[in-house]
Amino acid sequence: QKEVEQNSGPLSVPEGAIASLNCTYSDRGSQSFFWYRQYSGKSPELIMFIYSNGDKEDGRFTAQLNKASQYVSLLIRDSQPSDSATYLCAVKEGSARQLTFGSGTQLTVLP
Amino acid sequence: DVKVTQSSRYLVKRTGEKVFLECVQDMDHENMFWYRQDPGLGLRLIYFSYDVKMKEKGDIPEGYSVSREKKERFSLILESASTNQTSMYLCASSSPDGSPRGYTFGSGTRLTVV
Repeated sequence: QKEVEQNSGPLSVPEGAIASLNCTYSDRGSQSFFWYRQYSGKSPELIMFIYSNGDKEDGRFTAQLNKASQYVSLLIRDSQPSDSATYLCAVKEGSARQLTFGSGTQLTVLP
Repeated sequence: DVKVTQSSRYLVKRTGEKVFLECVQDMDHENMFWYRQDPGLGLRLIYFSYDVKMKEKGDIPEGYSVSREKKERFSLILESASTNQTSMYLCASSSPDGSPRGYTFGSGTRLTVV
């Protein structure tokens, strides 16, 4: 069975620091990688996606992908208390329609 | 704004009841999905559908069935609800090209089986 592993946390960082969230996946056929943010009691919302090895930046967020190591990460620079949420990593095999999710990492940004 | 609407935000049902969870999307998406979310387990795929009357099992289909009679509506059915089906249920839809921006979630249904 395809697996997506995340450190469940909780991860606490002070306001203004860099938060680093990590994810590993088992299926080498995975082609697309996604980071979702989920606030307590809300549904997940997409914040980043990445297809190619390397870094992809969007504002304070950077996604990093290393397919050889089957590893994807999310960096949040200048963390804010409003970034406190659970972050879900999801992967999609090339031909698949569905996403496989990790269990999520709970992030708390301390004021 | 695109929408995936789940009919109920909270439901309480008794063990053995037949339960219907409804999901409707207004984006003309071919793909629709049902996930359940439990603490520490993340989102697990129950069933998905890529066309009207078509369905495929996900990772945890046992105890569930689905129905897709119209493109915009995808129903999850618990034939005989059990307490271990107490969970948050999330519906999602996506466009056929797999565009990540098209993977949209509903607001969820928190089901409690007593």
